[in-house]
Amino acid sequence: NAGVTQTPKFQVLKTGQSMTLQCAQDMNHEYMSWYRQDPGMGLRLIHYSVGAGITDQGEVPNGYNVSRSTTEDFPLRLLSAAPSQTSVYFCASNPGQGSGANVLTFGAGSRLTVL
Amino acid sequence: GDSVTQMEGPVTLSEEAFLTINCTYTATGYPSLFWYVQYPGEGLQLLLKATKADDKGSNKGFEATYRKETTSFHLEKGSVQVSDSAVYFCAFHTGGFKTIFGAGTRLFVKA
Repeated sequence: NAGVTQTPKFQVLKTGQSMTLQCAQDMNHEYMSWYRQDPGMGLRLIHYSVGAGITDQGEVPNGYNVSRSTTEDFPLRLLSAAPSQTSVYFCASNPGQGSGANVLTFGAGSRLTVL
Repeated sequence: GDSVTQMEGPVTLSEEAFLTINCTYTATGYPSLFWYVQYPGEGLQLLLKATKADDKGSNKGFEATYRKETTSFHLEKGSVQVSDSAVYFCAFHTGGFKTIFGAGTRLFVKA
C-alpha cells in the first residue's frame, strides 16, 4: 500500500519558470490537500479538494493552481516561480468521513528551490 | 483567529530522560487534537489524537490529554530514545476543511 506518492523529491527552478508537483494516493480518500512547510511557520494550507472536480483555496494560494480530475491525483502547478516559493511541499489526503475522517496521511515531500 | 502555540525548540535530551512538549490552542468550537511527528527526510505521520475533552491519546510510549479548561494538549514520554529524534507538530481540526498546525518542535535525543 503506497499511501501518498509525491514527485519529484527535489527540484531547482529559475525565477519565472513553471512546473507541476505530482501527487497520487491509493487509499480512495475523498479529501486531498497541499501544504508548504517553512522554517518556524509550521505547515500552511495552499489548496485543497473535497472530491473529484472540486477544489478550493487555502491560506496561501497565490501563485499556485490545482485540479482534481480523478480521486487519486491532485497536481500542484506553479505558474511563474518566485524565490518566495522556495519551500518544502507536502501533499496529504484524508478520508473525510468515519472515525479517521480528519487524520491526514502525508507524502514524503518535495523540496523546491527557486533561484 | 485559530492558532496553535507550541514550545520552541530545539529540545535536547539524554536517552531515558522525561519529555514534555507544551501545546496550547485557540479555536472556536470543540476541535479534534493531534500530534504529528516528522522523522528526518520524511513526511509527517500521525502520532496520536484525541477527539473530546479528557480523552488521552497514546502511541509508542507518548501520551497527551485533551484539556479543554486550559486549551492544552501537552505531549509527554517517560523515557525517550535516540530513535525519537524528530520534529513534533501539534495540530487541531475544527470541522470544515482545515487542520491548523503549530510551528513544530525539534527534539534531539543523545545516546
